[in-house]
Amino acid sequence: NAGVMQNPRHLVRRRGQEARLRCSPMKGHSHVYWYRQLPEEGLKFMVYLQKENIIDESGMPKERFSAEFPKEGPSILRIQQVVRGDSAAYFCASSPRQDYNEQFFGPGTRLTVL
Amino acid sequence: GIQVEQSPPDLILQEGANSTLRCNFSDSVNNLQWFHQNPWGQLINLFYIPSGTKQNGRLSATTVATERYSLLYISSSQTTDSGVYFCAVDDIKGAQKLVFGQGTRLTINP
Repeated sequence: NAGVMQNPRHLVRRRGQEARLRCSPMKGHSHVYWYRQLPEEGLKFMVYLQKENIIDESGMPKERFSAEFPKEGPSILRIQQVVRGDSAAYFCASSPRQDYNEQFFGPGTRLTVL
Repeated sequence: GIQVEQSPPDLILQEGANSTLRCNFSDSVNNLQWFHQNPWGQLINLFYIPSGTKQNGRLSATTVATERYSLLYISSSQTTDSGVYFCAVDDIKGAQKLVFGQGTRLTINP
């Protein structure tokens, strides 16, 4: 049973470009969470999605960041007009349903903004 | 929001030693998980343990929910155990967003 998959594993962007990070949850999981690990701030929650719905985006920066989890395909975290401060590791986690508390984490995407 | 404190922040041991890592949290939780972040940055799920005791090989964990702490035990440490160990709890019952501690950096020397 494959785990949570994220791609790309490493992504380099220049300031002002767009970054798209993809997350495929474990088979049978319909809940996805995104977390960000900044160098001096530890791991922080960003957004919680179910298929076609954003449940909680209280940790998302107000501008330039968006997330989706379409009916078909992976969840996408999109960062527009990246800045150097967006350089971080972005982790995706999944769980099978709302009343199942354990979250299973992917390997992460390391974003470097030049 | 809920606060999570891990101790010690750093731990340096020789191969073969045993260690205990602690996680204190400030409120009732539905979820408590332990992770190992290896030197390559990957987060490895170790335990889902909101209460009780679990063991997996050389690792075991205990959570005393009524006293709001959890302990991770590593026995007979190996160099591959090096990395950062994180404890994470959910924010409030049903909120389903994990709040992470700052981690314990474990270094196992050969």
